[in-house]
Amino acid sequence: AQSVTQLGSHVSVSEGALVLLRCNYSSSVPPYLFWYVQYPNQGLQLLLKYTTGATLVKGINGFEAEFKKSETSFHLTKPSAHMSDAAEYFCAVRVYNQGGKLIFGQGTELSVKP
Amino acid sequence: NAGVTQTPKFQVLKTGQSMTLQCAQDMNHNSMYWYRQDPGMGLRLIYYSASEGTTDKGEVPNGYNVSRLNKREFSLRLESAAPSQTSVYFCASKSPQGLDWLYGYTFGSGTRLTVV
Repeated sequence: AQSVTQLGSHVSVSEGALVLLRCNYSSSVPPYLFWYVQYPNQGLQLLLKYTTGATLVKGINGFEAEFKKSETSFHLTKPSAHMSDAAEYFCAVRVYNQGGKLIFGQGTELSVKP
Repeated sequence: NAGVTQTPKFQVLKTGQSMTLQCAQDMNHNSMYWYRQDPGMGLRLIYYSASEGTTDKGEVPNGYNVSRLNKREFSLRLESAAPSQTSVYFCASKSPQGLDWLYGYTFGSGTRLTVV
């Protein structure tokens, strides 16, 4: 069975500091992995995704993530946090059967301090 | 604009009342999903429909029913609402199996449901 674990339900950083949001997955087949962002009272917006190919994936708003098979990780990073990055972030893995559903982690709320 | 449209955006129900959440997509996607979002639990799948005419249970189907009315529409029904169903509900659709690596998933803006 496939699963996703996000380490840390809350992460707080200062403006300008590195953002690191951790995601580990479990999958018996090559995974498709996703990061979504949710701003307060809004829906989910795709930040980036990994399917095949290059393991360093660049997304929107300066975010990137690196797929590390040996560590079963897909951590999200951004070199310099901005106040507008404050949101909840979800890591997800696609299931190959069952209609290709996504399995989500529990989410990490990012706070950015001035 | 192309995408997934959910109605209503907000709803308050009394315990025992019924209602249907509507979802429609105009991207010709085959697969559609209903998720619920609760604090600290991420999004959990309620039901999905891999193609028109088929529906299957997800992780948390109890208390819900669904209908895949046609390729565009996938509705979620609460027959007898309970306070435990207070949540934010998201509908999503996915591009065809061979193209989902490229186009991925599209989510609606959500329905905030409160059951009192």
